[in-house]
Amino acid sequence: GIQVEQSPPDLILQEGANSTLRCNFSDSVNNLQWFHQNPWGQLINLFYIPSGTKQNGRLSATTVATERYSLLYISSSQTTDSGVYFCAVAEYGNKLVFGAGTILRVKS
Amino acid sequence: NAGVMQNPRHLVRRRGQEARLRCSPMKGHSHVYWYRQLPEEGLKFMVYLQKENIIDESGMPKERFSAEFPKEGPSILRIQQVVRGDSAAYFCASSPPRTDPGELFFGEGSRLTVL
Repeated sequence: GIQVEQSPPDLILQEGANSTLRCNFSDSVNNLQWFHQNPWGQLINLFYIPSGTKQNGRLSATTVATERYSLLYISSSQTTDSGVYFCAVAEYGNKLVFGAGTILRVKS
Repeated sequence: NAGVMQNPRHLVRRRGQEARLRCSPMKGHSHVYWYRQLPEEGLKFMVYLQKENIIDESGMPKERFSAEFPKEGPSILRIQQVVRGDSAAYFCASSPPRTDPGELFFGEGSRLTVL
């Protein structure tokens, strides 16, 4: 099956710093989503982005499907950004395969 | 517009008991997916259902686990004779009909603890 690798595995930032999270996948996909799992365990949809670039406030994402990677950018990080960021992909349909996640800690 | 609703949020069972987890999809959604998250791990696909049909159960353990999505009412994930290894967060997601692929929306999860 498809493999999803996320990097870095964990990241510590000072409040206000910027960061880039990466998601590599082993095969072509028709579905890619980024999620934020907050410290209470809730999964928050960030982006549905099988290709192209999207922006939402301080967050933006780019997927280069032909090169099999996606990037999540967080600018001016805040302590509320802390949590785990998951990339999930599907080769077909909506059967998402999740990466292991990036644990982000933002310090004030 | 309510999101995906899961209950109970927390469930404690003793070994050998049964656990039933419920999921009501978003309004207008007829596709339901169940995922399991073991401690310190990512989410793993379990089963994909449409109303009255199991479409893909390739991620379901062969024994003790079953899922249904009846014509009326929520989807149910049932775990019989629970063991400590079943302790996990169980997430449900839904998507609208005729969107394949499309965006999945997740509930807040049900956290099962087996004593």
